Amino acid sequence: GAVVSQHPSRVICKSGTSVKIECRSLDFQATTMFWYRQFPKQSLMLMATSNEGSKATYEQGVEKDKFLINHASLTLSTLTVASAHPEDSSFYICSARRPLQNSPLHFGNGTRLTVT
Amino acid sequence: GQSLEQPSEVTAVEGAIVQINCTYQTSGFYGLSWYQQHDGGAPTFLSYNGLDGLEETGRFSSFLSRSDSYGYLLLQELQMKDSASYFCAVRPEGGQNFVFGPGTRLSVLP
Repeated sequence: GAVVSQHPSRVICKSGTSVKIECRSLDFQATTMFWYRQFPKQSLMLMATSNEGSKATYEQGVEKDKFLINHASLTLSTLTVASAHPEDSSFYICSARRPLQNSPLHFGNGTRLTVT
Repeated sequence: GQSLEQPSEVTAVEGAIVQINCTYQTSGFYGLSWYQQHDGGAPTFLSYNGLDGLEETGRFSSFLSRSDSYGYLLLQELQMKDSASYFCAVRPEGGQNFVFGPGTRLSVLP
């Protein structure tokens, strides 16, 4: 079964709306979760690392005020796209890994965001 | 830093064997992983090589040679459902996140 759950799977919203995406680890505690963005036919681009109980670590070029990350518990991280615009339309995927050596990444099913 | 290279596309027929290569430039990493992603879906973990050599999991095998900065994913007895994108990835030493290659789109033809 799924190890990481992500909701919603699809969002269509108007420009200026804020959108919240949830990512949950289902059967393990994740002190760290990762948020990726993926454009069509391209690779996964790490946006930020979500850290439970502390501030997220953002990759260079990712706007902290646009992509708000909250990791309030050991099983939940949220990504809020603030005041979304059409250029924010993309596929957003979260992931987490068990706190074991060489444990692989488990991905949520992704969220397809379309901003009109 | 880390940089990985993969062929952008590979085409093969059902029942064939295909090898997807991954070359990398990295200062240090824990191991080489492979992920499969179908169109519109999320990546799923396929294989991991922490040490040099071959790892076999059913129809899929993966190989790593640290001295050659090279690895590959081998898919045998190809099926139509294997049509997907395949990504190699490394976790840099001291880091938590993974760095992904550009991905290889595999098309399996009947």
